[in-house]
Amino acid sequence: AQSVSQHNHHVILSEAASLELGCNYSYGGTVNLFWYVQYPGQHLQLLLKYFSGDPLVKGIKGFEAEFIKSKFSFNLRKPSVQWSDTAEYFCAVNAQSSYKLIFGSGTRLLVRP
Amino acid sequence: EPEVTQTPSHQVTQMGQEVILRCVPISNHLYFYWYRQILGQKVEFLVSFYNNEISEKSEIFDDQFSVERPDGSNFTLKIRSTKLEDSAMYFCASSGGDQGEQYFGPGTRLTVT
Repeated sequence: AQSVSQHNHHVILSEAASLELGCNYSYGGTVNLFWYVQYPGQHLQLLLKYFSGDPLVKGIKGFEAEFIKSKFSFNLRKPSVQWSDTAEYFCAVNAQSSYKLIFGSGTRLLVRP
Repeated sequence: EPEVTQTPSHQVTQMGQEVILRCVPISNHLYFYWYRQILGQKVEFLVSFYNNEISEKSEIFDDQFSVERPDGSNFTLKIRSTKLEDSAMYFCASSGGDQGEQYFGPGTRLTVT
């Protein structure tokens, strides 16, 4: 069965610190990969996605993620976080043969000013 | 920017009652989804819907659940006889293609007492 693991449940950073959130998935076939963000009181929003091509993808608000197929990973990065990045971040995967998104458990990021 | 909307934002119901959760997907989208998140757990896929029929469903989506697109704009999730364990946040999503990114609504918090 497909699954997605996010290694950090809570991350606390100071502004300007660099961020890396881990995401690993288990599935033997071809997948599409996503990072969603949920700001306090708001709905899930797409940060970035990977379908094919360049494994380094850039999303909104300065976020990027790298797909490493050999490691089944899709880690999210940002070189310098801001207070406004405080949110919960979800990694999600869908098999290209399926409609459903499989979500990780989420990582709550708190950025201190 | 077009958004997925959901009503109500919070629904309280007694065990055994029927509830209908409503969603208005983005207008030119063709694929519709329901997910749920029980407090403290992962976001879980329930069902996908395309061309007026269910295209995929999870094990959670048993005979107590049904979906409908009663008109050109609404997409509903019905739970026939609610149980305590149905208490969760229910998210509707839509996408323009079967492998496209899914856009999520703000969710309906269902509380079964």
